[in-house]
Amino acid sequence: MVMMQSPATLSVSPGESATLSCRASQSLSTSKLAWYQQKPGQAPRLLIYAASTRATGVPARFSGSGSGTEFTLTISSLQSEDVAVYYCQQYNNWPRITFGQGTRLEIK
Amino acid sequence: QVQLVESGGGVVQPGGSLRLSCAASGFTFSGFGMHWVRQAPGKGLEWVSFIRYDAYNKYYGDSVKGRFTISRDNSKNTLYLQMNTLRPEDTAVYYCAKPLSGGGQDAFDIWGQGTMVTVSS
Repeated sequence: MVMMQSPATLSVSPGESATLSCRASQSLSTSKLAWYQQKPGQAPRLLIYAASTRATGVPARFSGSGSGTEFTLTISSLQSEDVAVYYCQQYNNWPRITFGQGTRLEIK
Repeated sequence: QVQLVESGGGVVQPGGSLRLSCAASGFTFSGFGMHWVRQAPGKGLEWVSFIRYDAYNKYYGDSVKGRFTISRDNSKNTLYLQMNTLRPEDTAVYYCAKPLSGGGQDAFDIWGQGTMVTVSS
């Protein structure tokens, strides 16, 4: 299963909202979709699982939505610390887990 | 606290072998399936392998099948990845990752810091 993220790079002003998209080549019948944040030199950090559930300690300004083949990560009130690469991951097509190619989020 | 610490990375020639280790602490290691994920320099994340909590099932990505072997020692709380017949395209940071649920088919809530493997002559 191929996961396609768009855009490749997103530039947003501080305080604005960022919308990142992830499209699956097949329907995720059980919404087994996660989002990760990766900052330079660090391991990925889980943000969202089951398409819309925030992981422990993740600020409420991160939200996930979607079903089927279309999923979205929304980051509201963008802060400088949110600069990172964001990856979606499907774990529905077990055991063939796949990640999207990533969206790089920049601050204007 | 829950922690994963990888070790064993390094520089190896094409065709060579390397064994990675991942030491787990802060959770009941024997109750969780575990994953390996890798990231080539400047590239995205690629799932490599999974082992069930009791090692009964093991799965591999197509790019490493037949060359890599995942294993675990629950008495030592340690996960392993034996990498044979290494290729330059195996050059990457290798992460071990713990899933949210013991069965393994879940998002990864804990990641190690990664260990770098470089395959080059």
